[in-house]
Amino acid sequence: GESVGLHLPTLSVQEGDNSIINCAYSNSASDYFIWYKQESGKGPQFIIDIRSNMDKRQGQRVTVLLNKTVKHLSLQIAATQPGDSAVYFCAEIHGSGNTGKLIFGQGTTLQVKP
Amino acid sequence: SAVISQKPSRDICQRGTSLTIQCQVDSQVTMMFWYRQQPGQSLTLIATANQGSEATYESGFVIDKFPISRPNLTFSTLTVSNMSPEDSSIYLCSVEGLDSPTDTQYFGPGTRLTVL
Repeated sequence: GESVGLHLPTLSVQEGDNSIINCAYSNSASDYFIWYKQESGKGPQFIIDIRSNMDKRQGQRVTVLLNKTVKHLSLQIAATQPGDSAVYFCAEIHGSGNTGKLIFGQGTTLQVKP
Repeated sequence: SAVISQKPSRDICQRGTSLTIQCQVDSQVTMMFWYRQQPGQSLTLIATANQGSEATYESGFVIDKFPISRPNLTFSTLTVSNMSPEDSSIYLCSVEGLDSPTDTQYFGPGTRLTVL
């Protein structure tokens, strides 16, 4: 069946190090991917997105990489800070005719050690 | 950027009662959605709130249990009916159409529901 999943439930990194959060998806028809950050007690916050016609997109301290060959998505956070501690979700949307049907992965908890 | 608010932010309810959750956006949006996030879990889409017509429900969710209204382009409500402890979750609304032409969804802060 279709699924969007994350490889590791928890990632612990030292402050200042780079973090890499991975996500595998199974639907090759997905053409839009989003990373969200959810802090405790809050709703998911949009971080960065990428379309299937791209393989890399950069934001402020974050980079998303898309490998369509192996259906893999990753979020890289540079110089991780304590404020980056949160649960990170990848989400995918299937095709242009299915606007809004986000399918979420299970989430990776990022813990930043001072 | 647009502000998405939800009321109430949290509630504790008795089994068998109903709770209506409100979602308000400070600008008009094309699409509004409702999600459920069970404790320690990911988000699951309940339904798409359609303006002027019945909501579109996902598999496993029915109108009798989760009636939804969307009277205009900035407001929607979700009612959790005849609640049981299994309904204890965070309920989130999201909106699409803040950034044209992308279909990015932005989320409200959520309503944390506990059913006793």
